[in-house]
Amino acid sequence: DTGVSQDPRHKITKRGQNVTFRCDPISEHNRLYWYRQTLGQGPEFLTYFQNEAQLEKSRLLSDRFSAERPKGSFSTLEIQRTEQGDSAMYLCASSLGSSGKRVNEQFFGPGTRLTVL
Amino acid sequence: QKEVEQDPGPLSVPEGAIVSLNCTYSNSAFQYFMWYRQYSRKGPELLMYTYSSGNKEDGRFTAQVDKSSKYISLFIRDSQPSDSATYLCAMRTGTASKLTFGTGTRLQVTL
Repeated sequence: DTGVSQDPRHKITKRGQNVTFRCDPISEHNRLYWYRQTLGQGPEFLTYFQNEAQLEKSRLLSDRFSAERPKGSFSTLEIQRTEQGDSAMYLCASSLGSSGKRVNEQFFGPGTRLTVL
Repeated sequence: QKEVEQDPGPLSVPEGAIVSLNCTYSNSAFQYFMWYRQYSRKGPELLMYTYSSGNKEDGRFTAQVDKSSKYISLFIRDSQPSDSATYLCAMRTGTASKLTFGTGTRLQVTL
């Protein structure tokens, strides 16, 4: 499978616990994005990386959220001290970043569905 | 007010019908416009994108952009039951990488 993969697909946790999600992008893609989608809404941008550098973070990304892409390949998104409002689908996408047109082709993974009890 | 507005539907059409899906936006800096299809509990799948104003056709799908009206459309010809999904419009400025999405329109194509 050469698409974007995410792990786990589902995560149920109790309020206050920490959770970590992983995203493996398409192998030749140097840009990686995280979005969050709640029920009945479109995805909302959280952050993105070019290679290992985190270039932009949304105001949605509170200090309880941290994302890394240590070697410019896979990425992790950690949420500390989870709250019920964090319940959502966390989507990862990747793209090439060599030109403006390539950035338009963001390919999404299947998402990680987080439920905070 | 959201930057991108999209009617959530649901929109129900018979098989074979032409479907029209639309979004309006307020940010005049948006230059690239995408359409994604999302099946239930799956990630969005890129259908097509257009740059600035004009039309683009890909098989049964046609995307239109009218920047003067800040209005974009996706037309689906000869709709099939397999087209039943949520359709998301997305857009970005020329300098930003992040996509700004609409809420999505849920489409149901009936036999």
